[in-house]
Amino acid sequence: DAGVIQSPRHEVTEMGQEVTLRCKPISGHDYLFWYRQTMMRGLELLIYFNNNVPIDDSGMPEDRFSAKMPNASFSTLKIQPSEPRDSAVYFCASRTGQDSSYNEQFFGPGTRLTVL
Amino acid sequence: DQQVKQNSPSLSVQEGRISILNCDYTNSMFDYFLWYKKYPAEGPTFLISISSIKDKNEDGRFTVFLNKSAKHLSLHIVPSQPGDSAVYFCAASGGGGADGLTFGKGTHLIIQP
Repeated sequence: DAGVIQSPRHEVTEMGQEVTLRCKPISGHDYLFWYRQTMMRGLELLIYFNNNVPIDDSGMPEDRFSAKMPNASFSTLKIQPSEPRDSAVYFCASRTGQDSSYNEQFFGPGTRLTVL
Repeated sequence: DQQVKQNSPSLSVQEGRISILNCDYTNSMFDYFLWYKKYPAEGPTFLISISSIKDKNEDGRFTVFLNKSAKHLSLHIVPSQPGDSAVYFCAASGGGGADGLTFGKGTHLIIQP
């Protein structure tokens, strides 16, 4: 299995531009999570989906952030317009809903976003 | 407010000795706890977990202890090996683990040869 795939790995953009981060979860996983890592706040949950439906988006910082999961194999996190304070590493993670590995989340390699 | 705290930003241990990483939490609704290991430029990798109904879980060189009354957990690595040098994150979840994870800020473990 290829694991969780994220693209791009690095993104540099200018303030005000739209940014789209992409994630392909592990095949068969029912849950998908988006996290953000910054020096100040560490790793924090932004939003998660179960069977393509958003369950908890209370971590999304503001309306400039939106996430979608149009099907079981693809999710996007969009920032529009982007601001320098959005610079961070964004991780996508997925896990199965089966009890045997109910809690272990598998993380992708992350997307390092720099907003100038 | 930080619901999961790792108070030691870094820890240096000699190869072959025991490494003990500590974590405290404040939210009584947390009932599942995990440890992740992270190398630079990679995503976190799952190490070991423990449910609140247990107080200890072992997997090879790794043991996690949970003290619910103190809201404290620890990860023991014995013996420590050079490949263990990484950042270790403590994470907690509610709903039997169904919810998203709340992470501590990590402890950078350095294994000295």
